[in-house]
Amino acid sequence: SQQGEEDPQALSIQEGENATMNCSYKTSINNLQWYRQNSGRGLVHLILIRSNEREKHSGRLRVTLDTSKKSSSLLITASRAADTASYFCASETSGSRLTFGEGTQLTVNP
Amino acid sequence: DADVTQTPRNRITKTGKRIMLECSQTKGHDRMYWYRQDPGLGLRLIYYSFDVKDINKGEISDGYSVSRQAQAKFSLSLESAIPNQTALYFCATSDALTSDTQYFGPGTRLTVL
Repeated sequence: SQQGEEDPQALSIQEGENATMNCSYKTSINNLQWYRQNSGRGLVHLILIRSNEREKHSGRLRVTLDTSKKSSSLLITASRAADTASYFCASETSGSRLTFGEGTQLTVNP
Repeated sequence: DADVTQTPRNRITKTGKRIMLECSQTKGHDRMYWYRQDPGLGLRLIYYSFDVKDINKGEISDGYSVSRQAQAKFSLSLESAIPNQTALYFCATSDALTSDTQYFGPGTRLTVL
């Protein structure tokens, strides 16, 4: 079974609004990563946050990590139609193995 | 990512057939992975390889086998395909030194009738 669970499963917003997606995991992690997938395509790495970090920024992306609650959130600010995609969290627990969540489908309406 | 290629991109086959999916990479990475994705779900790890002589089962390896022919090539075989193996299959690579990020191929859409 998947270690990660994401919430919400689907999110629809207007261009310019912020989008927040949440991820929970079950075991201790080395790091947590977020990936993006355009429909039917391969995943693209967005951002990584290590277990000793609490917040990280990259452009319009902000990721937080709360290891006490085993949860992470991804915030996309000032969303654009081109941000429409599925977003997956992936937890790294041992070696280079990633365990993926089930994803959030984000739709940004023009 | 053009550095990781998968062939074929689409394949329709029949129950009981043996099929091979191939993955090649030009990134020079030593670690390679095979995942499957079912509709509406995340990716599940089938097999992974940390170098040519190191092959490991993932969480759903039953019904699958792999071959690491070279550092740049990692193939996934379905010995006797069944309909519930219909899925999108992804290959990924990572670098042992900076192993945290994985780079994905474009995927192979496999349909087993």
